[in-house]
Amino acid sequence: GEEVAQTPKHLVRGEGQKAKLYCAPIKGHSYVFWYQQVLKNEFKFLISFQNENVFDETGMPKERFSAKCLPNSPCSLEIQATKLEDSAVYFCASSQLQDNEQFFGPGTRLTVL
Amino acid sequence: KNEVEQSPQNLTAQEGEFITINCSYSVGISALHWLQQHPGGGIVSLFMLSSGKKKHGRLIATINIQEKHSSLHITASHPRDSAVYICAVRGGATNKLIFGTGTLLAVQP
Repeated sequence: GEEVAQTPKHLVRGEGQKAKLYCAPIKGHSYVFWYQQVLKNEFKFLISFQNENVFDETGMPKERFSAKCLPNSPCSLEIQATKLEDSAVYFCASSQLQDNEQFFGPGTRLTVL
Repeated sequence: KNEVEQSPQNLTAQEGEFITINCSYSVGISALHWLQQHPGGGIVSLFMLSSGKKKHGRLIATINIQEKHSSLHITASHPRDSAVYICAVRGGATNKLIFGTGTLLAVQP
């Protein structure tokens, strides 16, 4: 598509439950980035992909967080055993090439109760 | 100290005023982005700069690579410009974005 699509828009989970977020990059874009926004304006890089390969995972918490980008499927970000501190808006962005402009999706607001 | 600093954090202006938002960074970068985030939360990319100056409508962005500083200017500001403006730099081997803490702009009619 012409825009980055993210689903769901909102997700509410009880502490300890699993959360799975999805991102469909713009068609033809090879790079996908996941960012976490907590407390209004604090953005943190999580992970990036080049097609289905992990490109940079230096921002991913080692435990509980995992992500995939499989051919012909939306990319996904999964949080096992969510914690209160995982409450945030998760943005996905895509770019055509590594050093091109990144286009952001609308985000998924995760609330952990 | 954050790698990307923005000032001011909050800015209130009257409609029609000329607005400047500043961004300083301390890391090597390949490009700098200015982003706009509206109250609904969506993020729009305004500019991507690696040198010089870019203009789009009433928005102008400049960057000085030697001084590690960028500015975003809004001419003839309008209430619909009210949003959070975020500076983000792209650096490192993998071009991940490092974000500033944003500037909350309110333009009053």
